[in-house]
Amino acid sequence: KNEVEQSPQNLTAQEGEFITINCSYSVGISALHWLQQHPGGGIVSLFMLSSGKKKHGRLIATINIQEKHSSLHITASHPRDSAVYICAVSVFDMRFGAGTRLTVKP
Amino acid sequence: DAMVIQNPRYQVTQFGKPVTLSCSQTLNHNVMYWYQQKSSQAPKLLFHYYDKDFNNEADTPDNFQSRRPNTSFCFLDIRSPGLGDAAMYLCATRMDSTDTQYFGPGTRLTVL
Repeated sequence: KNEVEQSPQNLTAQEGEFITINCSYSVGISALHWLQQHPGGGIVSLFMLSSGKKKHGRLIATINIQEKHSSLHITASHPRDSAVYICAVSVFDMRFGAGTRLTVKP
Repeated sequence: DAMVIQNPRYQVTQFGKPVTLSCSQTLNHNVMYWYQQKSSQAPKLLFHYYDKDFNNEADTPDNFQSRRPNTSFCFLDIRSPGLGDAAMYLCATRMDSTDTQYFGPGTRLTVL
């Protein structure tokens, strides 16, 4: 069993829809990260969380430390949000989830 | 402003022909990482430097070597690339006082 599990693996949405990607982890962590990777591109850090909730534009990330669970929400999704979203946890190095491939159709 | 720079962005090599990928950073971070990411998979840590201390992951093949001549630069050497080494190679940096890693754009390696 992977230390970091993401769901769903693939997600297709219509423009404007509210999107949720979930992440569960099984190890003790110092922080949880949500990362974005566009096709053929490098990785961009969206959020780093150790508790509570963070918001940046249309993106919201929450974490429940007791339940070892985090969610990434995208409000009013747009085709440019299409990317792979990766959940990762800091244990000294980073442990990555397998990613969620999001496609937003116009 | 470029912070973590990887060169080249695309590298094509022949089976068995040594190749070197480079990473440089303007952040003065003391920790640097090399990851291998194959298609539709999560990045896999190959090794990292904590200052000058080199730390190799147990399952990193001997074919992969690294050098860090100074704080700013780190190199990944693949001595005899095989077809299975075709992947995106990501460099990342971190200051040891924080958890945030900063990723470079990656180098996509093709092995013919």
